Formats: sequence, C-alpha cells, structure tokens
Amino acid sequence: KNQVEQSPQSLIILEGKNCTLQCNYTVSPFSNLRWYKQDTGRGPVSLTIMTFSENTKSNGRYTATLDADTKQSSLHITASQLSDSASYICVVKTSNTGKLIFGQGTTLQVKP
Amino acid sequence: DAGVIQSPRHEVTEMGQEVTLRCKPISGHDYLFWYRQTMMRGLELLIYFNNNVPIDDSGMPEDRFSAKMPNASFSTLKIQPSEPRDSAVYFCASTGRATNNEQFFGPGTRLTVL
Repeated sequence: KNQVEQSPQSLIILEGKNCTLQCNYTVSPFSNLRWYKQDTGRGPVSLTIMTFSENTKSNGRYTATLDADTKQSSLHITASQLSDSASYICVVKTSNTGKLIFGQGTTLQVKP
Repeated sequence: DAGVIQSPRHEVTEMGQEVTLRCKPISGHDYLFWYRQTMMRGLELLIYFNNNVPIDDSGMPEDRFSAKMPNASFSTLKIQPSEPRDSAVYFCASTGRATNNEQFFGPGTRLTVL
C-alpha cells in the first residue's frame, strides 16, 4: 500500500535552533517527492521537489535530502525563525498513476 | 498574478443544505485539483481535471459530492445534501507545464456543517 509517514508529529524548538523533519514512504513506482509548508489558515506552499536522481536540494534555510534506496527523506531547517512555525507536509508522486500521496504532516512551533 | 482564488473563504451551513465551493485557477494552468483537509485524515485528493475534463474522481467520498469545470477559469465543488462529517477545509490547486507541474494551492474554504 502506498503510504507516506512523517515524524515527529509535532515539534517545538527555540528560535535560532536547527531541526530535522523525517519522511518515510512506501510509494512505488516513485516519481518525485515534495515538501510543502502550510501556514495556519493558508494553503500549502511548495518548498522543494526532488526526483529519483537528486540527493539534496536547498531553498534558503530549508534543505531536503532524499535516499531513494531506503525511501527516506528529511527536511532540515537551519537557524529557525518564528515564521517557520507551520505544518510541513511530505508528498510523494507515483509515476504510473501520477497520484500524490500525502503525509500527515509535522507541526513545527518555533518559540522566541 | 492573483494566484488560485477560492470562494467563499468560510461557509457555515446546516445539515441537509446544498453547499457550492468555487475555484478560479491560475491563468494558463491546465490541471485543477480539489482537496479536502481534516485533522484526522490530513490532505486528501478528491478529484482532478485536465483541460476541463475530469480525469480521476476516485477520491470523491460519495455521490453527494460532485465537481464541474465548465471552462478553463472556473470550477465548482458541490455537496448535496451536506452532513456534519463534511466539515473540513477544501483546497483547490492548479498546475501546468509552465510551472513544471508544481501545484499552487488556493487559500481554502473552511466548511462547517452544523
């Protein structure tokens, strides 16, 4: 069964600290993996998209990694800011049906 | 570009009433998606269109749900009759080759069915 699991479910960190969010998937066949940021009351916004051949991709203070062999991805946030408080959703796309399989998300709270 | 536009932003209705949610995709995008988000189930794809044609509606929960896309700039998601368990945030998203198939989401419609 195609599934995407994220951990932790929620996380609280202090402003300025780094953190890493995890995403494990069992989706096959794999097309790409995306990380979205969703602020409270708003729609998700894409942070990164990675294909099979990409191991790492950065977007400012956000760095995503992908290990297609172990089917794991991580999103690392460097020098967190209060505005990083949001839900982060991992999404995997299948290459046969083109369907997006969504993780449940990790809720990050950055405290001053 | 105004992005994906959804209306209304909030809708409160009573059980049994008809609800219509509206979406205007980004101009030039040829794919449109309807999603539902709840705390319990997260984001779920309900249906998507390509060039105004429904491609996959396997996520539509029941016959009470229907979606249309009469033209490239407008889509509706209708629930009739609505039930309390339909309470959720409904997102519309659009994409196209020009954006490398990255989906852009609207602000969502928060639906509460009493």
